[in-house]
Amino acid sequence: DAKTTQPTSMDCAEGRAANLPCNHSTISGNEYVYWYRQIHSQGPQYIIHGLKNNETNEMASLIITEDRKSSTLILPHATLRDTAVYYCIVSASGGSNYKLTFGKGTLLTVNP
Amino acid sequence: GAGVSQSPSNKVTEKGKDVELRCDPISGHTALYWYRQRLGQGLEFLIYFQGNSAPDKSGLPSDRFSAERTGESVSTLTIQRTQQEDSAVYLCASSWTGQTHGYTFGSGTRLTVV
Repeated sequence: DAKTTQPTSMDCAEGRAANLPCNHSTISGNEYVYWYRQIHSQGPQYIIHGLKNNETNEMASLIITEDRKSSTLILPHATLRDTAVYYCIVSASGGSNYKLTFGKGTLLTVNP
Repeated sequence: GAGVSQSPSNKVTEKGKDVELRCDPISGHTALYWYRQRLGQGLEFLIYFQGNSAPDKSGLPSDRFSAERTGESVSTLTIQRTQQEDSAVYLCASSWTGQTHGYTFGSGTRLTVV
């Protein structure tokens, strides 16, 4: 799996957008960008994933640069419950490419 | 079930004792994964099951660690002769085969070796 680089920690005010960056300069053409988050004392939770195009779901938006070397996860209106460690992972999907390798992620703290 | 269930949620054991950790995946999920998370660290991959077979055991840290899965359902992770460095949260996840975006994790078993 390609490596990712994320800031160790970030702060965000409640109600504002949280923009979490991730660098993945060595990503391969068949590798997806996945985002998971881990709220304290819980298992990680899937948020969103994408290959080339920007993606949006009920939780977040994912913006991937045209060269695919970086991406940003956007939580449009952060709440206190969004305080968590956010993991950016790149991996091919399907077949024998089953394994997700988690780094240390970004600790996002949403402040009142 | 509705989610991935792990038991026990907490386990305190004495150094040298054996422990068994259980994972009940989402019904029908063919793939099952075990990860370990030490305090303040990221997740370490331990083992992957496809059905009842384990094609990748590369993350098991020593021969004291073993795992099995039966009925393409429940999995048990066994740690023999526990050591203090085994203290961690052990997380189980399941998914449909090949769907890395479809991982559903349990809440983990917190193992403390004293």
